[in-house]
Amino acid sequence: SQQGEEDPQALSIQEGENATMNCSYKTSINNLQWYRQNSGRGLVHLILIRSNEREKHSGRLRVTLDTSKKSSSLLITASRAADTASYFCATDKNTGNQFYFGTGTSLTVIP
Amino acid sequence: GAVVSQHPSRVICKSGTSVKIECRSLDFQATTMFWYRQFPKQSLMLMATSNEGSKATYEQGVEKDKFLINHASLTLSTLTVTSAHPEDSSFYICSARDFGYTFGSGTRLTVV
Repeated sequence: SQQGEEDPQALSIQEGENATMNCSYKTSINNLQWYRQNSGRGLVHLILIRSNEREKHSGRLRVTLDTSKKSSSLLITASRAADTASYFCATDKNTGNQFYFGTGTSLTVIP
Repeated sequence: GAVVSQHPSRVICKSGTSVKIECRSLDFQATTMFWYRQFPKQSLMLMATSNEGSKATYEQGVEKDKFLINHASLTLSTLTVTSAHPEDSSFYICSARDFGYTFGSGTRLTVV
């Protein structure tokens, strides 16, 4: 990818379990964002975490950021079948406006 | 919240023809818009940054003569895929920056 890698590439869990996805990036950033994409559709913004933040919560989502390791994680708690989608992290380089997506994690939540 | 409208949502064209995709910011002005391309089961790749009133900035490896970008107003950027070939078939998504980044719903281009 242009900026980051995510793992795992694919994750399959049972409904009610927690799902954790990890993102690593290459350069220093201002912000890191997580997006969700249902198959063949547009992107839905989930959460933004700034470089001076270490953890952020939004509903069932918890995002962490470790700038020393250039990594972030997205935790979805109490997963639902409707959470089935691809999840991408996106980072902006602190030298410009552009931001770049990681490779993505395909999450399947089995009812 | 900020809304970005992208049109068309789907287009099929013949090989060798050109296709124009529009990206509009509906309730805010966007001096900068971004164009991405996504192949099936892959991530989004930034193609270019569209700047109102000036030339677009292309990412390495993206042919600027093939993917023409025009950002003539603060609410509209267009991407024209010229002389389209089957390998240009992809999902194209635009994004505009307001306080955050807002995405259009994407255009699925199929070249036959």
